[in-house]
Amino acid sequence: QVQLVESGGGVVQPGGSLRLSCAASGFTFSSNAMHWVRQAPGKGLEWVAFIRYDGSKTYYADSVKGRFTISRDNSKTMVYVQMNSLRAEDTAVYYCVKHGGSGWYLDNWGQGTLVTVSS
Amino acid sequence: QSVLTQPPAASGTPGQRVTISCSGSRSNIGDNPVSWYQQLPGTAPKLLLYTNNQRPSGVPDRFSGSKSGASASLAISGLQSEDEADYYCAAWDDSLSGVVFGGGTKLTVL
Repeated sequence: QVQLVESGGGVVQPGGSLRLSCAASGFTFSSNAMHWVRQAPGKGLEWVAFIRYDGSKTYYADSVKGRFTISRDNSKTMVYVQMNSLRAEDTAVYYCVKHGGSGWYLDNWGQGTLVTVSS
Repeated sequence: QSVLTQPPAASGTPGQRVTISCSGSRSNIGDNPVSWYQQLPGTAPKLLLYTNNQRPSGVPDRFSGSKSGASASLAISGLQSEDEADYYCAAWDDSLSGVVFGGGTKLTVL
C-alpha cells in the first residue's frame, strides 16, 4: 500500500531555513507527480507546491514562491521541500501528497510534519 | 480568504441527508474537475471524491458529488456519527496555476 512518511519538521526562527523530506513507497514513484500541502493550526488546507513525475515542471502557491523549492530524487523515492526565509505564517503541519491523476486530485496523504516558526 | 467558498459549518441527525456546497469561478471549478477530502479529528485528510463524483475504492456510496457550472456539492446520505469531520473541496485553478481549496466545512452529527 502507498506510504508517505514526512520528516524534518521542528522549530526554526523567523528568517531561517528548513528542509522537509518525504519517503515514498508502495507505488511507482518515478511515474507519479507529488505535492506538498500545509495546514496552519486550527485552519484549513493550503496547497504549497507540485512537482512533475520527472522533476521537469514545478508549481508554487504565491505565498511561498521564491522562498520554497520542491525537488525529488527518483532513485531514492524521496520528495523534498526546501523552505527559506521562513515567516511566522509558515507555521503549519506539512503534508506530502501523491498526485492522483489528470483531474488534479490528491489521492494519498502522509501523516504530516509540524513546522513552527518562532523566536 | 479561500478561493473556493464553502459554508463553515453543517449539521444533521443520524440517517439524514446533508449537502455541502463549494462555489468557485470559471478558472477553477468552471473549467476543471472537483475533488473532495474528509479530515477526521486529529488525522490527515483523505480523498473522498475525485473528478466531481468518482469514489475511490473503500468510500461508501453514501457519499456523492455533483458539479454545475462554477459550483459543486457533496452529499452525504444516511448520515452516521463517524461522518463527523471537516470536509474540503479543491480544484486546479488555471489563472493561479495551482490547486485551490475551499475553507472547509465542519460537519456535526447531532
